Amino acid sequence: TQLLEQSPQFLSIQEGENLTVYCNSSSVFSSLQWYRQEPGEGPVLLVTVVTGGEVKKLKRLTFQFGDARKDSSLHITAAQPGDTGLYLCAGALSPSGGYNKLIFGAGTRLAVHP
Amino acid sequence: EAQVTQNPRYLITVTGKKLTVTCSQNMNHEYMSWYRQDPGLGLRQIYYSMNVEVTDKGDVPEGYKVSRKEKRNFPLILESPSPNQTSLYFCASRLGAGGSYNEQFFGPGTRLTVL
Repeated sequence: TQLLEQSPQFLSIQEGENLTVYCNSSSVFSSLQWYRQEPGEGPVLLVTVVTGGEVKKLKRLTFQFGDARKDSSLHITAAQPGDTGLYLCAGALSPSGGYNKLIFGAGTRLAVHP
Repeated sequence: EAQVTQNPRYLITVTGKKLTVTCSQNMNHEYMSWYRQDPGLGLRQIYYSMNVEVTDKGDVPEGYKVSRKEKRNFPLILESPSPNQTSLYFCASRLGAGGSYNEQFFGPGTRLTVL
């Protein structure tokens, strides 16, 4: 059972288009992170959102944390071929003893064609 | 350069032949973790360690062992690999086990095939 559902799984678009990736859960997270992974490499952190309703911008990427801290979205404006990769969301749960466990979604594989 | 290193990057082995994947970080991080990544399933945690000599099971620990004798190293051991352990493995580290905003740094991955 996937605690974090990401959609869509695959996205193939043309350069210049806009897109949104969603990350949904029934669990409440203390924070949510977005990572980007390129072939042959490990995931690299893009952003961490902590407060419900928080919006963060990273150039053409806009990240939003839901008011109830159960969901998040990543919006890319005017996608470029360099945005191609696997986007992963990860929610932080606190099972016990001050330990924050990261739960990862299955990822959205984005291909941006010139 | 701050990094997490893993070796080997690629490994093809046969069922039952013990293997170790090494992981090392140079950031003096307390927390280290191992994940496996499979299509459609995302990253699933195998084992984690909050500090030296402190390890615990993640979500999919069966068939794996770990040790944390030194802060910088966290090897993953497969005593008797089976084909269902064919996967892409990532080691990761972060400053501490708490702190929900801590960035987690990942190694480059080890692609393991068990025949």
